[in-house]
Amino acid sequence: AQSVTQPDIHITVSEGASLELRCNYSYGATPYLFWYVQSPGQGLQLLLKYFSGDTLVQGIKGFEAEFKRSQSSFNLRKPSVHWSDAAEYFCAVMNSGGYQKVTFGTGTKLQVIP
Amino acid sequence: NAGVTQTPKFQVLKTGQSMTLQCAQDMNHEYMSWYRQDPGMGLRLIHYSVGAGITDQGEVPNGYNVSRSTTEDFPLRLLSAAPSQTSVYFCASSYGRGFAYEQYFGPGTRLTVT
Repeated sequence: AQSVTQPDIHITVSEGASLELRCNYSYGATPYLFWYVQSPGQGLQLLLKYFSGDTLVQGIKGFEAEFKRSQSSFNLRKPSVHWSDAAEYFCAVMNSGGYQKVTFGTGTKLQVIP
Repeated sequence: NAGVTQTPKFQVLKTGQSMTLQCAQDMNHEYMSWYRQDPGMGLRLIHYSVGAGITDQGEVPNGYNVSRSTTEDFPLRLLSAAPSQTSVYFCASSYGRGFAYEQYFGPGTRLTVT
């Protein structure tokens, strides 16, 4: 069965500092991977996705993520965090065959301090 | 396009009451899903549908029913509400083919069962 681990429940960074949110997945074949962001009281918005090809994917709002098969990881990065990036971030894995069953991680809540 | 809409936004039920959470999308998406979000647990799949007339169970289906008579609508029914069903419920939809796998989420329904 597929699974996703986000080891950091809560992260605090200073505005302007760099950010890396960790995500490890478990899936037997090449997975489809996603990062979503959820602002307080809102639904989830897609930041970026990986299906195949270039292992470094660019997303919206200046985010990027790198797929590392050897480490089963798909970490999210941003070089300079803005106060508006404070939100909860979810990594998700989707099986690449049959119904697109999506499994979400438990989320990482990002706090940005001035 | 309105995207994915959910009603109501908030609901309080007494134990044993029944209700239906509404979900509609205007993007002609084949796939629709219901998730519940609980603190520290990410999003868990309740039920999903791969097209009108076709539904299946997800990870936590007990206590919930669904049907899909049209492409646009995917209501979630709570037959006899229990305090354990206190949660935030999200509906999501996606095309389900090609590389357009990303899910579009509604704004959520916050349900409290007393």
